[in-house]
Amino acid sequence: SYVLTQAPSVSVAPGQTATVTCGGNNIGSKSVHWYQQRPGQAPELVVYDDSDRPSGIPERFSGSNSGNTATLTISRVEAGDEADYFCQVWDTNSDHPGVFGTGTKVTVL
Amino acid sequence: EVQLVESGGGLAQPGGSLRLTCAASGFTFTSYAINWVRQAPGKGLEWVSYIRSDATTIYYADSVKGRFTISRDDAKNSVFLQINSLRVEDTAVYYCAREASASYYAFDYWGQGTLVTVSS
Repeated sequence: SYVLTQAPSVSVAPGQTATVTCGGNNIGSKSVHWYQQRPGQAPELVVYDDSDRPSGIPERFSGSNSGNTATLTISRVEAGDEADYFCQVWDTNSDHPGVFGTGTKVTVL
Repeated sequence: EVQLVESGGGLAQPGGSLRLTCAASGFTFTSYAINWVRQAPGKGLEWVSYIRSDATTIYYADSVKGRFTISRDDAKNSVFLQINSLRVEDTAVYYCAREASASYYAFDYWGQGTLVTVSS
């Protein structure tokens, strides 16, 4: 099974930049999607297909993907960005293709 | 407005069964695949199952294969997850999520979830 690995936590001061990484074998060959989950809420898609943003998601959220690492970057971090972030891919070579990363808790100091 | 509403969760005993429902509205239901994703208390997201828009393709996670069955009823704009042979480790909030309009394998709308608790 395909495995996606994320750091458990990231801390960032307001106004600074948070970087959340997602590691996977040759992940650069896959499309990576990112979800934000605030406490007690359902996940929300913030980046899809490596770097595209759904309507309504601020430009402060951006993504990239190359080699063995995909990255979600949150610029000018705000208190409301404090949440869990999960990466996700669809492994088309598998008969159980849905894969989520382990999740990263972003804490705004 | 796109809405997904899950129901059917509750307390069940190990070895028991539950049927979860995901009721959809606000979009052309027959054009979209639906997924089930679960989250155990305090844990991360786990993808569970997928059903294509025309129900011709279905996938399951290894952890549920043979025990869970996904289906859809287009007349009712609903997707179902039949859960049999429940285990304590199936305890989780179960979300249904729609495949994204802009990307087949991202999930752009989620329900609020329904809690399944398996305990004796």
